[in-house]
Amino acid sequence: GENVEQHPSTLSVQEGDSAVIKCTYSDSASNYFPWYKQELGKGPQLIIDIRSNVGEKKDQRIAVTLNKTAKHFSLHITETQPEDSAVYFCAGTPGNNDMRFGAGTRLTVKP
Amino acid sequence: EADIYQTPRYLVIGTGKKITLECSQTMGHDKMYWYQQDPGMELHLIHYSYGVNSTEKGDLSSESTVSRIRTEHFPLTLESARPSHTSQYLCASSGPAWYQETQYFGPGTRLLVL
Repeated sequence: GENVEQHPSTLSVQEGDSAVIKCTYSDSASNYFPWYKQELGKGPQLIIDIRSNVGEKKDQRIAVTLNKTAKHFSLHITETQPEDSAVYFCAGTPGNNDMRFGAGTRLTVKP
Repeated sequence: EADIYQTPRYLVIGTGKKITLECSQTMGHDKMYWYQQDPGMELHLIHYSYGVNSTEKGDLSSESTVSRIRTEHFPLTLESARPSHTSQYLCASSGPAWYQETQYFGPGTRLLVL
């Protein structure tokens, strides 16, 4: 089955700096890769996603890149703000439709 | 914004009690899921359903059971709660059974078993 690994597990940056979270997947049949943000006391919320026919996608300060050959994808947050502090999860979806989540990255943005 | 609801939001209960966590979605999604998560930690899939009368166990062994009698409703039941069941339970849903798309999560139920 699919195995999604996420790094780092914790990340601390200064406000205004960029943050990068990386994920790798094992199943070459995976073709949909969402990123979720989970704030304290809430369920995970989708922030951006990418399909395997696209190499990069941007939405304001966040972007996701996908390298199908290397089987890895990354979340990039530029100009970080304190409200970006949260736990971020990546996920991959193999051919049997079961979404597999990474273990999460706790991002702290210091003002 | 996704319309998926979970009740109760918080539950404190004694050992041995039977509990049911409710989950409802108004999006007509075929697929629904239950995850167990210690706050801010990894998501563990415990049950899922691809439609009415379809239920499957997830990766993490769980003593809970689920049912899917109606498309919009996916309750989770613990027949006899134990302190080891203390955790956060997240419900999610996603679209057609044949298509891969994002899962929409509810706000979660925080369960404390004394």
